[in-house]
Amino acid sequence: RKEVEQDPGPFNVPEGATVAFNCTYSNSASQSFFWYRQDCRKEPKLLMSVYSSGNEDGRFTAQLNRASQYISLLIRDSKLSDSATYLCVVRINSGYALNFGKGTSLLVTP
Amino acid sequence: DTGVSQDPRHKITKRGQNVTFRCDPISEHNRLYWYRQTLGQGPEFLTYFQNEAQLEKSRLLSDRFSAERPKGSFSTLEIQRTEQGDSAMYLCASSLGGGGFDEQFFGPGTRLTVL
Repeated sequence: RKEVEQDPGPFNVPEGATVAFNCTYSNSASQSFFWYRQDCRKEPKLLMSVYSSGNEDGRFTAQLNRASQYISLLIRDSKLSDSATYLCVVRINSGYALNFGKGTSLLVTP
Repeated sequence: DTGVSQDPRHKITKRGQNVTFRCDPISEHNRLYWYRQTLGQGPEFLTYFQNEAQLEKSRLLSDRFSAERPKGSFSTLEIQRTEQGDSAMYLCASSLGGGGFDEQFFGPGTRLTVL
């Protein structure tokens, strides 16, 4: 079983739509949580960290549920430029490595 | 450009050959990481350096793989006797270190194709 599980999609949504991605992690020692964005054939870039209290950055909202070991990302008012792969990422307390999910592919259409 | 750089960007080699990749981290970053990404998968951790010390290695890093960071600045990743299964994108990342949140910044990667 992979440590971080995501629905690979693809999610095809029209501009302006709201879309939500979910992710589960298996290691209860996980300490830090992130969403990264990866454009086609490019490197991953940090989108946002995820905090227990939930956090928002513009159109993006991230939530963490430690009891259920579940992370979510909500994108409101989708833009064409949001089309990318969104990677759920977890770091175990004792280590420095980032554990990535497979990613969820999003395509926003006109 | 002050980001993480990697060289070469693409490498095509024949099975059995040795290859070496280079990573130059962001200048003030003392932590450096290597990851591997295959098609349809997220990056997988390979190894981590704090300055010149290699502190963590994944089970994925077989004995054909070796990584160095001799002076605590740039790093090299060598793959000996390449196999077709080594074909992947090799990503390097660096971070500043210290306490608290420590963002890892990724380089553009080296895409390896083993024929």
